[in-house]
Amino acid sequence: TQLLEQSPQFLSIQEGENLTVYCNSSSVFSSLQWYRQEPGEGPVLLVTVVTGGEVKKLKRLTFQFGDARKDSSLHITAAQPGDTGLYLCAGRRSSGSARQLTFGSGTQLTVLP
Amino acid sequence: SQTIHQWPATLVQPVGSPLSLECTVEGTSNPNLYWYRQAAGRGLQLLFYSIGIDQISSEVPQNLSASRPQDRQFILSSKKLLLSDSGFYLCAWSPPGQGAGTEAFFGQGTRLTVV
Repeated sequence: TQLLEQSPQFLSIQEGENLTVYCNSSSVFSSLQWYRQEPGEGPVLLVTVVTGGEVKKLKRLTFQFGDARKDSSLHITAAQPGDTGLYLCAGRRSSGSARQLTFGSGTQLTVLP
Repeated sequence: SQTIHQWPATLVQPVGSPLSLECTVEGTSNPNLYWYRQAAGRGLQLLFYSIGIDQISSEVPQNLSASRPQDRQFILSSKKLLLSDSGFYLCAWSPPGQGAGTEAFFGQGTRLTVV
């Protein structure tokens, strides 16, 4: 079973539309990160959220960490074709080895021009 | 600045042959090192992680092994490859310590095809 569940798994939208990607778990995380991955390359970090209820904005991207630190969301406003990629959430658990970073199942986003 | 190098970028190997993927990190000391495997368009499965030389933790039982002969070198190996070992392998590092906001930095990945 996947510790971090992402939804939707696939998302195809038109340029200019808004979208939200979700990352959910039954476990509590000390921090949660969002990565974006291009085909054939390694993931690149977008943001890290640490505090429950925290909201971070990165241009058209808004990231939120749930109050209970079990879930997170990524909202993109006015999506552009350059936003196309695989979005991955990853969390460090509060219990167990803090050195382990657990990844979600990923959301493949395609933004059509 | 820190950099991570992973090679080769692509590899085609016959079933039953050995495997050795290498990863090195520059510009930092005593990093945490990781090997992940990724199915096409999906999330990352942690295979091994290491907090120091010769200190390796395995996350899943499998046909693979890992070694860390030097502080900034991490090697993924197999004695005999299986078809199911095909996939995209990623090496990553994170700063030492257990800070809550510690992120991982990834190599470019190796596309392994076992034929």
